[in-house]
Amino acid sequence: GGIITQTPKFLIGQEGQKLTLKCQQNFNHDTMYWYRQDSGKGLRLIYYSITENDLQKGDLSEGYDASREKKSSFSLTVTSAQKNEMAVFLCASSIHSGNTLYFGEGSRLIVV
Amino acid sequence: DAKTTQPDSMESTEGETVHLPCSHATISGNEYIYWYRQVPLQGPEYVTHGLQQNTTNSMAFLAIASDRKSSTLILPHVSLRDAAVYHCILREGVGYQNFYFGKGTSLTVIP
Repeated sequence: GGIITQTPKFLIGQEGQKLTLKCQQNFNHDTMYWYRQDSGKGLRLIYYSITENDLQKGDLSEGYDASREKKSSFSLTVTSAQKNEMAVFLCASSIHSGNTLYFGEGSRLIVV
Repeated sequence: DAKTTQPDSMESTEGETVHLPCSHATISGNEYIYWYRQVPLQGPEYVTHGLQQNTTNSMAFLAIASDRKSSTLILPHVSLRDAAVYHCILREGVGYQNFYFGKGTSLTVIP
C-alpha cells in the first residue's frame, strides 16, 4: 500500500497573501489532482497532472497555480488568498487517468 | 453539475444491513459508478466501483440495475465505524480526468 501526505494540515494566511499547499504520494502513481471542498458541499477539481511537468486546468483553476516538478509531488498555490476561499483542499492520485483515486487527509485553509 | 442523485441522509442500527441508493438516469455507456465515503477531517476513502455487473469486496456489495440508471451500495452488518458521508460518482474511462462529487448521503449508525 501507499500513502498520500498533505502539508500543512492547517494553513493560516492573510488576505491577499500567496499561500502554497504541498502533496506527496508514494504509490508511484502517474496522475495527481487537487480538489477543493467547501463546507457541506461536494468536491470541485482545481488542477490535475497526468505526468511530471504536466498541468491541466479543472473547473475551478482561476486564482490558483500548480506545479508538478516530480512524479511524486504536486503543489498548489493560492495566488491571492481571499476569505471566501476558506475550504479544505484535497490532494489525490491515481495510476492512470480514469482509475481509482486515492485521497490525502486534506489541508484546511484559513484566511484572516 | 452532479450527475447523480442520493438521499441527503439515512439512519441505521448497528448490525443491520444498509442499502444506500443512487440514481444516475443520464449515465453514458463508458461511465463507471464509483462509491467513496468520507468522515470529518479525513479525505474520501474508496469503497468500490463497477460498470455493469454487480461487484463485491470486503467493504460492500454494489448492485447495478440492468439499465444502469440506478445503483445501490449494500453495507452488511454496519458498525459505528461505517458512519460517514457516502458519495456515488460517475467517472468515464481512461482519458477523462474529472470526478464530480456531490453532497452524498450522510449515514448515521445508532449503537
